[in-house]
Amino acid sequence: AQTVTQSQPEMSVQEAETVTLSCTYDTSENNYYLFWYKQPPSRQMILVIRQEAYKQQNATENRFSVNFQKAAKSFSLKISDSQLGDTAMYFCAFMKQGANYGGSQGNLIFGKGTKLSVKP
Amino acid sequence: NAGVTQTPKFQVLKTGQSMTLQCAQDMNHEYMSWYRQDPGMGLRLIHYSVGAGITDQGEVPNGYNVSRSTTEDFPLRLLSAAPSQTSVYFCASSRTRGDYSNQPQHFGDGTRLSIL
Repeated sequence: AQTVTQSQPEMSVQEAETVTLSCTYDTSENNYYLFWYKQPPSRQMILVIRQEAYKQQNATENRFSVNFQKAAKSFSLKISDSQLGDTAMYFCAFMKQGANYGGSQGNLIFGKGTKLSVKP
Repeated sequence: NAGVTQTPKFQVLKTGQSMTLQCAQDMNHEYMSWYRQDPGMGLRLIHYSVGAGITDQGEVPNGYNVSRSTTEDFPLRLLSAAPSQTSVYFCASSRTRGDYSNQPQHFGDGTRLSIL
């Protein structure tokens, strides 16, 4: 079974600074996907960034980037130039890569989340 | 394009009452799922479906029932509500076939359910 661990229940950062959220996972799978989701106070689940395990290059989306260390099973999220609108819960999630049809490939395993506060 | 639509957004029930949470998607997604979110617990999978007529259990299925008669709809039923089922419920969907396999899930806006 897969597990996802986020060891920082809460973090805070000053506006315009950089912050890194940690995530580790445990799996015996070789092919999988990792995600970071953002949940603002509105409760929406918003996909921030996605990483395919077979890709060595770290994914980047504007101010968001990841540090993916497959051997260490680590997947941290770096937010640069933090903005007030980044205040939210952030969830790390794991998904197995499956066949094209059927199975449990779509199932996400979530960490417990990190509550990020960006202070003015 | 409405995406994933959940109704209702809020609901209060009494212990023992039954309730159906509705979920509909208009993206022709094969995969649909239900998660519950509790404080300090993240999101946990309740049930999922990989296509019409096919459902399976997730991590926390007890007390919940699902069916998938159409591609678009995936209702979640609470047959006899218990206080332990007080939670926020999310429905999600994604493509799973062909070039669109292993795509990230689209989430609905959630239903906050309180059971007294």
